[in-house]
Amino acid sequence: DIQMTQSPSFLSASVGERVTLSCRASQNINKYLDWYQQKLGEAPKLLIYNTNNLHTGIPSRFSGSGSGTDYTLTISSLQPEDVATYFCLQRNSWPMYTFGAGTKLELK
Amino acid sequence: EVQLQQSGAELGKPGTSVKLSCKVSGYNIRNTYMHWVNQRPGKGLEWIGRIDPANGNTIYAEKFKSKATLTADTSSNTAYMQLSQLKSDDTAIYFCAIGLAIWGQGTLVTVSS
Repeated sequence: DIQMTQSPSFLSASVGERVTLSCRASQNINKYLDWYQQKLGEAPKLLIYNTNNLHTGIPSRFSGSGSGTDYTLTISSLQPEDVATYFCLQRNSWPMYTFGAGTKLELK
Repeated sequence: EVQLQQSGAELGKPGTSVKLSCKVSGYNIRNTYMHWVNQRPGKGLEWIGRIDPANGNTIYAEKFKSKATLTADTSSNTAYMQLSQLKSDDTAIYFCAIGLAIWGQGTLVTVSS
């Protein structure tokens, strides 16, 4: 099974700051990596699919990159509404999928 | 607009079963995979499995093979998940999702005697 490790588990940042979240796979996942945002009490929302493709309606301050086993979600300028937990999901081992444990992002 | 409406909260006794529903509007479920994901209290997301409503084919994560049963009714555009032999560890919010891109609001299942 492919394991997904997210870091850090918790991140505190200021409004306007550039934020980088990481996700590492236990083996090459060939860019089949998606990012989700989950706000408290809500369902997850797809932000980015296949490493770097912005889902419909997602602000351009969100971007993704990576290859092989290492992937990154970047928020170019943190906004108050970005406070949430962020999860990565690997789909390389289709049709069996694995989520990371999440990074909780808060405002400093 | 595509919307997924999940059934209401369930309280189940240990050893019993519950069946959750996920009614889709604005999209024909025959044209997609319906996924189910859970989230235990204060924890992360866990992929349970998916069904192809067009033919009923299912795939389950190993740990859910004897726990969850996925079905779909294309006539009512609704997906279902039955959870059997409930244990306290099954207490969680259960989400359905179209292609993991559009999600329902979740159903809270609480297992308690």
